[in-house]
Amino acid sequence: GEEVAQTPKHLVRGEGQKAKLYCAPIKGHSYVFWYQQVLKNEFKFLISFQNENVFDETGMPKERFSAKCLPNSPCSLEIQATKLEDSAVYFCASSQYNVYEQYFGPGTRLTVT
Amino acid sequence: RKEVEQDPGPFNVPEGATVAFNCTYSNSASQSFFWYRQDCRKEPKLLMSVYSSGNEDGRFTAQLNRASQYISLLIRDSKLSDSATYLCVVNMALTGGGNKLTFGTGTQLKVEL
Repeated sequence: GEEVAQTPKHLVRGEGQKAKLYCAPIKGHSYVFWYQQVLKNEFKFLISFQNENVFDETGMPKERFSAKCLPNSPCSLEIQATKLEDSAVYFCASSQYNVYEQYFGPGTRLTVT
Repeated sequence: RKEVEQDPGPFNVPEGATVAFNCTYSNSASQSFFWYRQDCRKEPKLLMSVYSSGNEDGRFTAQLNRASQYISLLIRDSKLSDSATYLCVVNMALTGGGNKLTFGTGTQLKVEL
């Protein structure tokens, strides 16, 4: 498609439950990025993919967060055993090349109660 | 020191005013620079890319000073619809290879009648 698509729009989970978020990049874009935005516009980079390969995972909390981009499937970000501090908006972005502009999806608002 | 620094504002300006935002970055090896706008916790939307010393798009002018490591955004004849948070975003080279986008915390603009 011509826009980055993210589902679901909103997700509510009890503490300790699993959360799974999905992202479909713009057609033809090789790079996918995941960001977490909490209060005061602080964007935190989580992970990036070049096609189905992890490109940079320096921002990922290793214990509970995982992500995949498989061929012919939306990319996914999964949080096992969610915690209250995981409440945030998770944005996915895609780019044709790593150093070029990134285009963002509408985000998934995760609320952990 | 933050990698990308912006004045958080808010900047409250009357309609028709000219307003300028500055942004400084710490990594001299940064390769590309962008201004995004974000409305009310929606996704960031690309406003301008700055690859050389600067560029202009209608009422918006972005300038890059690599020697001083700062980027500016000038908005002329501001309109009510310009009210948003403006994010300075820098694509930084990583020491181990690869790149990542680093976001400033954003500058809030409110254009008033």
